[in-house]
Amino acid sequence: DAKTTQPPSMDCAEGRAANLPCNHSTISGNEYVYWYRQIHSQGPQYIIHGLKNNETNEMASLIITEDRKSSTLILPHATLRDTAVYYCIVRPGSNTGKLIFGQGTTLQVKP
Amino acid sequence: GAGVSQSPSNKVTEKGKDVELRCDPISGHTALYWYRQSLGQGLEFLIYFQGNSAPDKSGLPSDRFSAERTGGSVSTLTIQRTQQEDSAVYLCASSSRGRSYEQYFGPGTRLTVT
Repeated sequence: DAKTTQPPSMDCAEGRAANLPCNHSTISGNEYVYWYRQIHSQGPQYIIHGLKNNETNEMASLIITEDRKSSTLILPHATLRDTAVYYCIVRPGSNTGKLIFGQGTTLQVKP
Repeated sequence: GAGVSQSPSNKVTEKGKDVELRCDPISGHTALYWYRQSLGQGLEFLIYFQGNSAPDKSGLPSDRFSAERTGGSVSTLTIQRTQQEDSAVYLCASSSRGRSYEQYFGPGTRLTVT
């Protein structure tokens, strides 16, 4: 699976958009980008995934660059409850097994 | 519906004792995963079940660790002769067929080896 690089921490003001970057410059053509988050003392939670088109769901938007070497997870109106560690994971779509979690980005939403 | 449940939520054991951790996946989910998270460490994959078979056991750290799944449902992770370095939160997740990327995690079992 391709390696991902994320900033260790970020701050965001409550009510503002949180933009979390992920670099995956060695991504292969069959690999998807997945985002999870882990709120303190809970298990990780799936957020969104994409291959090359931008994606949006009720939780977030995912913007993938045209060359697919990086992506950004956008939380449009961050709340205090969005404070968590956010993980960007890259793996083949055909993979049926494990997720490999890196260190992630700790997002602190501040009032 | 009910999510993934794990028991016990907390377990304190003495070094050298055996422990069993239980996971009840979401009903109908065919795949089940065990991970662990040590203090200050990331999430580490342990083992993956598809039905009752374990096609990937690559993350089990030693032969003291084993897991089984019965009836395509409940799974038990067993750690024999526990060591202090086994102290961690053990997380279980499950996913439905064809959606392994969307894993639903339980609340975890916090294991402390004294």
